[in-house]
Amino acid sequence: QQQVKQSPQSLIVQKGGISIINCAYENTAFDYFPWYQQFPGKGPALLIAIRPDVSEKKEGRFTISFNKSAKQFSLHIMDSQPGDSATYFCAAGFKAAGNKLTFGGGTRVLVKP
Amino acid sequence: NAGVMQNPRHLVRRRGQEARLRCSPMKGHSHVYWYRQLPEEGLKFMVYLQKENIIDESGMPKERFSAEFPKEGPSILRIQQVVRGDSAAYFCASSPGSLGKNEQFFGPGTRLTVL
Repeated sequence: QQQVKQSPQSLIVQKGGISIINCAYENTAFDYFPWYQQFPGKGPALLIAIRPDVSEKKEGRFTISFNKSAKQFSLHIMDSQPGDSATYFCAAGFKAAGNKLTFGGGTRVLVKP
Repeated sequence: NAGVMQNPRHLVRRRGQEARLRCSPMKGHSHVYWYRQLPEEGLKFMVYLQKENIIDESGMPKERFSAEFPKEGPSILRIQQVVRGDSAAYFCASSPGSLGKNEQFFGPGTRLTVL
């Protein structure tokens, strides 16, 4: 019940295109859904996060869409740039401090110039 | 404001040796989490600590692994008698205190290689 499933495993997109990554979770008690960006050899960096009381959150070129009834959420990267090439992880947990995060398996995104 | 610091960044050990990984949380953060990342996989939770207390160790292997976060100094993840399967990247994250949000900020990781 703690799993988070992420797809696709890898994604190639042309510069200027839209990258879409999907995640599904099982535990309906989760109330905090962050996305992390990780470059090779680096630690994951918090990108954007959403709570289940909103259906969409946008920060710059990054948008999270959330579907509570389907227990799914997705990351859209608009106008993808070569610098966005990285591995993206979705996660799920609880908004109160002191709670572990359950991560998806990751999506490797390659943006071709 | 320095981020989460981890050292060493790379650690090579032979089977049977001990590995000690250190983590200093961000200033003002009192919650520390350790995660393990196997090659081509996502991060898996290991343990959550506050100063001098282990709060949740549900992801920690029962044997050979231990963690501490002393009153003074960094948090330490200790792996005794390492085996090849312990080769992975170990990440530490920190978050603000109990009244804060669960925004976890990660360090650069320690990449452990067991020969």
